[in-house]
Amino acid sequence: NAGVTQTPKFQVLKTGQSMTLQCAQDMNHNSMYWYRQDPGMGLRLIYYSASEGTTDKGEVPNGYNVSRLNKREFSLRLESAAPSQTSVYFCASSEDLYNEQFFGPGTRLTVL
Amino acid sequence: GQQLNQSPQSMFIQEGEDVSMNCTSSSIFNTWLWYKQDPGEGPVLLIALYKAGELTSNGRLTAQFGITRKDSFLNISASIPSDVGIYFCAGHPINVVFGQGTRLTINP
Repeated sequence: NAGVTQTPKFQVLKTGQSMTLQCAQDMNHNSMYWYRQDPGMGLRLIYYSASEGTTDKGEVPNGYNVSRLNKREFSLRLESAAPSQTSVYFCASSEDLYNEQFFGPGTRLTVL
Repeated sequence: GQQLNQSPQSMFIQEGEDVSMNCTSSSIFNTWLWYKQDPGEGPVLLIALYKAGELTSNGRLTAQFGITRKDSFLNISASIPSDVGIYFCAGHPINVVFGQGTRLTINP
């Protein structure tokens, strides 16, 4: 089992460009999450999906959109990237909302 | 929203020393989780706590769910070089909230 996979691993964007971060899990988990991690700060929840077909805002949703494509996949889209979105993005999944989360390896995004 | 305060923010210790860190929240939590993050990797779960007062061990690691349900503690005994990393607490009232992390550095 691969667990949680994320693509790409690295990305450089110019201000105003758009892109989609992909995440997939093969553990048949119901819940999936997107976090960002900035230096000196913990993980901040951007969006989450409690189950297939539902998505909800987390602590820092502005500038992002998500799609729970199916039970396996949960994508994060930046419509118009800004330098403030330079960060490391982690996807995670859990059996249900209150269970332990399993994290992907992260995507390092730089917006110039 | 919920706030998690994790301390200390960083620790510099000698190999073999014991380590203690803690998290406090402004509200009651139903679950406390402790994760470790190695450089360039995603966090990995170390210990999960589900009941107030619960004390759980995982090898040299011991964590406790505070009686008030507003705090949790993680202890590492006899530290070794591979313990280096960032340790995060996380809590579940509804959404998951993460602490700011404790960066552990070990001098051999």
